[in-house]
Amino acid sequence: SQTIHQWPATLVQPVGSPLSLECTVEGTSNPNLYWYRQAAGRGLQLLFYSVGIGQISSEVPQNLSASRPQDRQFILSSKKLLLSDSGFYLCAWQIGTENSPLHFGNGTRLTVT
Amino acid sequence: GNSVTQMEGPVTLSEEAFLTINCTYTATGYPSLFWYVQYPGEGLQLLLKATKADDKGSNKGFEATYRKETTSFHLEKGSVQVSDSAVYFCVLRRSQAGTALIFGKGTTLSVSS
Repeated sequence: SQTIHQWPATLVQPVGSPLSLECTVEGTSNPNLYWYRQAAGRGLQLLFYSVGIGQISSEVPQNLSASRPQDRQFILSSKKLLLSDSGFYLCAWQIGTENSPLHFGNGTRLTVT
Repeated sequence: GNSVTQMEGPVTLSEEAFLTINCTYTATGYPSLFWYVQYPGEGLQLLLKATKADDKGSNKGFEATYRKETTSFHLEKGSVQVSDSAVYFCVLRRSQAGTALIFGKGTTLSVSS
């Protein structure tokens, strides 16, 4: 069966520090991968998605970047965190058609101080 | 642009009450529509979907009909249970190929016995 791992579960970082959040999927090949952010009162905001290795689509211009160095690995990064980067970050995978369900990880709670 | 607007919660109901959570969307073309649910302590998961106008999605007693004329996808259930307490997200997938899901802000449902 397929599983998705996100880490760390929680993270507290100072303003200006770098960020690296990792997401890996097991049990499937060539999934679509997604990064979402959930901020208080704002629902889920799509940040990046990827349909293959090295292919990244950015939905919102911001202080973050994403990379997909391997088929089942998706990394969210920042060179210098801002206070506004605080939030709950969710990784998701999808296989099959475009209307197939997304399967979400447990998320990372990031607090920038 | 593409967006989803759903009624703000929390929605508080007694067991066996009728539930409606309103959702309207703005999109170009013919998007696919979904409802995702997040039960307490669990990850987001797909509840139901409709991929074209007049389609009705259904699952676990929940239903939603894709109404193109009113650009709506309201979630309904005839008789809610305590176990239905969760956060419900109305979601849109744009009609262009290769694009990802746009989430509403979520509506919290609390059902008491």
